Amino acid sequence: DIQMTQSPSSLSASVGDRVTITCRASQSISSYLNWYQQKPGKAPKLLIYAASSLQSGVPSRFSGSGSGTDFTLTISSLQPEDFATYYCQQSYSTLLTFGPGTKVDIK
Amino acid sequence: QITLKESGPTLVKPTQTLTLTCTFSGFSLSTSGVGVGWIRQPPGKALEWLALIYWNDDKRYSPSLKSRLTITKDTSKNQVVLTMTNMDPVDTATYYCAHIGQQWLVYYFDYWGQGTLVTVSS
Repeated sequence: DIQMTQSPSSLSASVGDRVTITCRASQSISSYLNWYQQKPGKAPKLLIYAASSLQSGVPSRFSGSGSGTDFTLTISSLQPEDFATYYCQQSYSTLLTFGPGTKVDIK
Repeated sequence: QITLKESGPTLVKPTQTLTLTCTFSGFSLSTSGVGVGWIRQPPGKALEWLALIYWNDDKRYSPSLKSRLTITKDTSKNQVVLTMTNMDPVDTATYYCAHIGQQWLVYYFDYWGQGTLVTVSS
């Protein structure tokens, strides 16, 4: 299996902050990496696919980068509605795996 | 537009078999490239992918749960069914089904159901 890790596991930030979340794969996954946002009691929402492509309707303050084993999700200016948990997910292998999540809360 | 909805029991007893149905609209599982997956999330924990099925009946399972899972599709009813045998309290979770989209051979879950909470308890 391809294992995914994320750092940090949680972070506290203020509105307007630039936030960066890191995801690492246990082996190279090229750009087969997706990012999701999940708010409490809600289903996850796709933000970024193929490492850096913004899903339709997602604000441009979200961006993704990376390839191989190391990836980042960046929120350029944190908004109140961005406080949530973020998950990465690889699809390089047909046996899909999610990262453990990064919770972003209010400082 | 694409919608999905999970249905099934909210409470099952240990050792029982869980059967969940995902009923969808806005796409067809007979169309080339289309797939549906199941993902679960124990309370307060991370997402865990369980299984997926494609239009051509190609099926994949999480290695850690493969012996307990079966995924099938009924194209005429626009449904995907997941069965999980020998349920245990640790299987208590919200179970989601999701549409699989793809771009440049990268697959992702782009539409999700609302999820259904399944509790395993005697």
